[in-house]
Amino acid sequence: QKEVEQDPGPLSVPEGAIVSLNCTYSNSAFQYFMWYRQYSRKGPELLMYTYSSGNKEDGRFTAQVDKSSKYISLFIRDSQPSDSATYLCAMSARGNTGKLIFGQGTTLQVKP
Amino acid sequence: IAGITQAPTSQILAAGRRMTLRCTQDMRHNAMYWYRQDLGLGLRLIHYSNTAGTTGKGEVPDGYSVSRANTDDFPLTLASAVPSQTSVYFCASSLTVTDTQYFGPGTRLTVL
Repeated sequence: QKEVEQDPGPLSVPEGAIVSLNCTYSNSAFQYFMWYRQYSRKGPELLMYTYSSGNKEDGRFTAQVDKSSKYISLFIRDSQPSDSATYLCAMSARGNTGKLIFGQGTTLQVKP
Repeated sequence: IAGITQAPTSQILAAGRRMTLRCTQDMRHNAMYWYRQDLGLGLRLIHYSNTAGTTGKGEVPDGYSVSRANTDDFPLTLASAVPSQTSVYFCASSLTVTDTQYFGPGTRLTVL
């Protein structure tokens, strides 16, 4: 079993929809949680960063971490065609913060 | 333009050949990383370097070697390529191991 599991999709939604992307993990030592966005044939870019449990909001994006359930989510409100990309969750443990463990990535398509 | 450059952009290689993937950053970041990205498996850490002169093994280091002679460069060498090393390779860097990782554009490698 992989340390981090992410539904690969693909996920297709109409423009304006609310999108929910999720990851589960098994390592209770993970303390730092990230979401990266990757456009086709490009490198990943950091979208959201959260430390420990709680919510973090940035514009149309909200990241949630539930450490008791070992579950993290990324919500996208009012989704746009430009949000079409692969979204990767990543996490690391205290003392190993540079060693990111990634999920498989979820491919999202937002249709106009 | 500040950032990470990788070379070559893509390469087709015969099995058994030696290959070095190049990575250079001009952000004066201390930490650098090499990942491979495969369909269904996400990004996996191959090797990392917390600072010039030091390197460490990641999740999938077998068949790969790295060196970090200076701050800017972090080459990845496949001593004798095998078909299972066909992948997209991403180099990343961060100011320190606790900071955001920035990714390069990737190298698509095919080993036949």
